[in-house]
Amino acid sequence: DTAVSQTPKYLVTQMGNDKSIKCEQNLGHDTMYWYKQDSKKFLKIMFSYNNKELIINETVPNRFSPKSPDKAHLNLHINSLELGDSAVYFCASSQDHRIQETQYFGPGTRLLVL
Amino acid sequence: GENVEQHPSTLSVQEGDSAVIKCTYSDSASNYFPWYKQELGKGPQLIIDIRSNVGEKKDQRIAVTLNKTAKHFSLHITETQPEDSAVYFCAASTHTGKLIFGQGTTLQVKP
Repeated sequence: DTAVSQTPKYLVTQMGNDKSIKCEQNLGHDTMYWYKQDSKKFLKIMFSYNNKELIINETVPNRFSPKSPDKAHLNLHINSLELGDSAVYFCASSQDHRIQETQYFGPGTRLLVL
Repeated sequence: GENVEQHPSTLSVQEGDSAVIKCTYSDSASNYFPWYKQELGKGPQLIIDIRSNVGEKKDQRIAVTLNKTAKHFSLHITETQPEDSAVYFCAASTHTGKLIFGQGTTLQVKP
């Protein structure tokens, strides 16, 4: 039973396109996150939502827009894709961002912008 | 700003030897320090964590130490096995829950 799932696993697209990545968790957690891992494997937080409310919004271009329809889902929409957006995007969840406990990561979405 | 430095970036050991990875953090308000293991093609997975009110924590072959004064924390893996080969990340967070990750250490355990 997958705890945090992401779709798609791979995404290859042209510069300028708009794409979405979906994330779902079945752990009953209140907080969900999006991370970006670059080619040097550096992991950086992008956004976090707690029960559909935006909590963390790092310095991320406006082309990236997270959407949380309910607390079990956090999707990431990217407009006007650029070459530099190529990376692995990880979704994660935790019980509550105010309780510093385990964050459970999804398998990642490998985005390649050509 | 918040920063976590991790060393070394790569580490190669013989099976059975010990491995040590070290991190330093900049934000003195940091109070939670998890370690994640990332295997090839997978997401990071928590292996151990430590909070600021504890100096050391051990779980079988894995131990973590924390020196709050020096803002250092370290991961120790004893009796390494080939399946320990992976990328290891340290991280630090304050009460906000925002994790700041180190740059990662690629550990190779040679059989």
